[in-house]
Amino acid sequence: DQQVKQNSPSLSVQEGRISILNCDYTNSMFDYFLWYKKYPAEGPTFLISISSIKDKNEDGRFTVFLNKSAKHLSLHIVPSQPGDSAVYFCAVPRQGGKLIFGQGTELSVKP
Amino acid sequence: DGGITQSPKYLFRKEGQNVTLSCEQNLNHDAMYWYRQDPGQGLRLIYYSQIVNDFQKGDIAEGYSVSREKKESFPLTVTSAQKNPTAFYLCASSIGSGTAYEQYFGPGTRLTVT
Repeated sequence: DQQVKQNSPSLSVQEGRISILNCDYTNSMFDYFLWYKKYPAEGPTFLISISSIKDKNEDGRFTVFLNKSAKHLSLHIVPSQPGDSAVYFCAVPRQGGKLIFGQGTELSVKP
Repeated sequence: DGGITQSPKYLFRKEGQNVTLSCEQNLNHDAMYWYRQDPGQGLRLIYYSQIVNDFQKGDIAEGYSVSREKKESFPLTVTSAQKNPTAFYLCASSIGSGTAYEQYFGPGTRLTVT
């Protein structure tokens, strides 16, 4: 069963507008969440994280929101740029340092 | 500069042959990981190693083997027992194996088996 879910396989937005990528999880014990960005034929790179003691974490154009009661987190990119076009994965670290990844959402930012 | 190296970038093999994918890191990280990515799916953990000379199976270890004889190196062998070996393979490392440690990924190896 999928413990971390990204239900939107793709998202297309206009340059300058907001991109919102969503992620749902099933286990209320999860207490740390990460977002990774991945370009084709490259490894993912860490983007931003959030601890369950917070409901928001901001880093420049990127903000992650956590709604623990809904077991939902979202990544906001404002303003979106063409260089943001990539696949975005949410992930949860588990015992032993393992990461459980969502399926990913492919973001396309059109000029 | 420090990082994770995976070689080669593209690898082609005939069905029935074993193949070993290389992963080297000079970040002085204790923990290393192997994932595979398939189209439309997230990354799935194959094997991981928290320390030299120790490793554990991940979620999809069948048909794979690893070794961790050196801190810097964590090679993955895809054996002929792996039913669907064609995939994009990613190696990662982290300082430790606690839950708050960020993982750093290599550039990946795309394996095609025909």
